[in-house]
Amino acid sequence: AQKITQTQPGMFVQEKEAVTLDCTYDTSDQSYGLFWYKQPSSGEMIFLIYQGSYDEQNATEGRYSLNFQKARKSANLVISASQLGDSAMYFCAMREEGRTSYDKVIFGPGTSLSVIP
Amino acid sequence: GAGVSQSPRYKVAKRGQDVALRCDPISGHVSLFWYQQALGQGPEFLTYFQNEAQLDKSGLPSDRFFAERPEGSVSTLKIQRTQQEDSAVYLCASSPDGEWADTQYFGPGTRLTVL
Repeated sequence: AQKITQTQPGMFVQEKEAVTLDCTYDTSDQSYGLFWYKQPSSGEMIFLIYQGSYDEQNATEGRYSLNFQKARKSANLVISASQLGDSAMYFCAMREEGRTSYDKVIFGPGTSLSVIP
Repeated sequence: GAGVSQSPRYKVAKRGQDVALRCDPISGHVSLFWYQQALGQGPEFLTYFQNEAQLDKSGLPSDRFFAERPEGSVSTLKIQRTQQEDSAVYLCASSPDGEWADTQYFGPGTRLTVL
C-alpha cells in the first residue's frame, strides 16, 4: 500500500499567486517526520521544509508553509507568491521514527508544478 | 562549502556490463544513503551507511547490486550484469550524524541508461 499519496500529478499556477500541493500519508507510528523536497530539471533534490508529528505549530520557511492536519494524515505544502523558478517536481516524504533510528525516508510519487508568467 | 557530488553524471551501459557509481558526501557526514529514482517516480531507498557500516540494505533490488563505503567517506554503488530495468537516476544523500536529521543533503544524481 502507498504510504505517501500525492494525488496531483501536475499543477499550474499563475506567477505571484499561491498554490497548495496535496500530500496524504499512512502510518501507525505516533512519532514521525514529514518533509517536502523540490527537484528542478537539473535533478538535485532540494530540501524545503520539515514537520515533526509532535510539532503543534505548522512549519514555515520563507514562502513555504506546511498545512499539517494530523487527524486527517495530511501535510499539504503551500507556496505563496509563486515565482517562475518554482517550476519543478515536488516530493512529499515521511520518516517513521518507530521503525529505525536513522532517516529511512519514504517518498511520494511527486507533483509537477508549472508557474505561468 | 562543497555539497554532495556524484560521478559520473551520465552513464550508458550495454546490457550485461558492470557499472560503478561514485558518491562523495559532505565532509564529516556520518550517514550516507543511496536511492533509485525511476522516470516519473519518487526516489526509492536502496541502502544506508553509518560511517563504514552498511546498516540497511533492504532496498537493494537484487544481488546484482552492491554498495560499499570502506573508509566511511566515499561510497560506491556497483551494479553487475546490468539490465534494462536498472535504467534510472541513482541519488546519493548524506546527513551529519547517525540519527534523525531535519534534512538529507542530496547529490545531483547519476543517470544510468542500459541499452
